Amino acid sequence: DAKTTQPNSMESNEEEPVHLPCNHSTISGTDYIHWYRQLPSQGPEYVIHGLTSNVNNRMASLAIAEDRKSSTLILHRATLRDAAVYYCILRAIYGGATNKLIFGTGTLLAVQP
Amino acid sequence: DVKVTQSSRYLVKRTGEKVFLECVQDMDHENMFWYRQDPGLGLRLIYFSYDVKMKEKGDIPEGYSVSREKKERFSLILESASTNQTSMYLCASSPRGGRGDNEQFFGPGTRLTVL
Repeated sequence: DAKTTQPNSMESNEEEPVHLPCNHSTISGTDYIHWYRQLPSQGPEYVIHGLTSNVNNRMASLAIAEDRKSSTLILHRATLRDAAVYYCILRAIYGGATNKLIFGTGTLLAVQP
Repeated sequence: DVKVTQSSRYLVKRTGEKVFLECVQDMDHENMFWYRQDPGLGLRLIYFSYDVKMKEKGDIPEGYSVSREKKERFSLILESASTNQTSMYLCASSPRGGRGDNEQFFGPGTRLTVL
C-alpha cells in the first residue's frame, strides 16, 4: 500500500489560514487522497477527498500537486474547534467491497487564541 | 443526522472476562469496521464486515471475534479480556462499493480498561 508522510505537529493562530502538508511519493494513478480529522475524545470524521483536481467544500480545501506526489489541506480561517489530529490517507479507486482505511499517526494541529 | 452509536463511552472490565462492544448504525450501510486506537500507533483495523453474517480479519484480529446478525449492528467480542486490550475502540460504517471515494462514518469510541 502506498504510504503518506505528515509532520507530527503544527501550530496556528486563530483566524489565520493553516496549510497541512502530506507527502505521498509512491501514490498510484488510481489512488484517491482522503483527509480525516479527529477532535479530542471523538471518533475521526471525514474532511475532504480528491483525485487529481483541487477540491473545495464547506470545511476545507484540498490542493493536489500536479505530479500528485504531495497534497495540502487548507483551513482558510482556523478556529479553536479545528484543533485536532489530521490524517492524510490514500484509497484505491477500486479496492474491493470494503475499501478499508489505513491510518497513519497524522498531524496534531494546535490552534492558539 | 446520520449516526454511528456505540453502547458505552467508558468500560472497565477484569482480566479473563468476556466483553461485548456493540455498534449500531442508522444509515443502512453494508460495510462496518472495528478499529482500536493506541498512543503512537494510530488506528488499527481489527475486523470488518461487508454484509450480514460476513466478516473478514483486519490487521490485528488476535484475541477478538465479531458478530453481525443484523445489517445495522456489529459486535466486537473479547473472549477473555487481557490488560493489553486496554484501548480506545472505534466502530465505523460505510456504503458498499469498491470506489475509493466512499466516506467512513465513525462512532464516538469506547474507552476500555482491563484491570
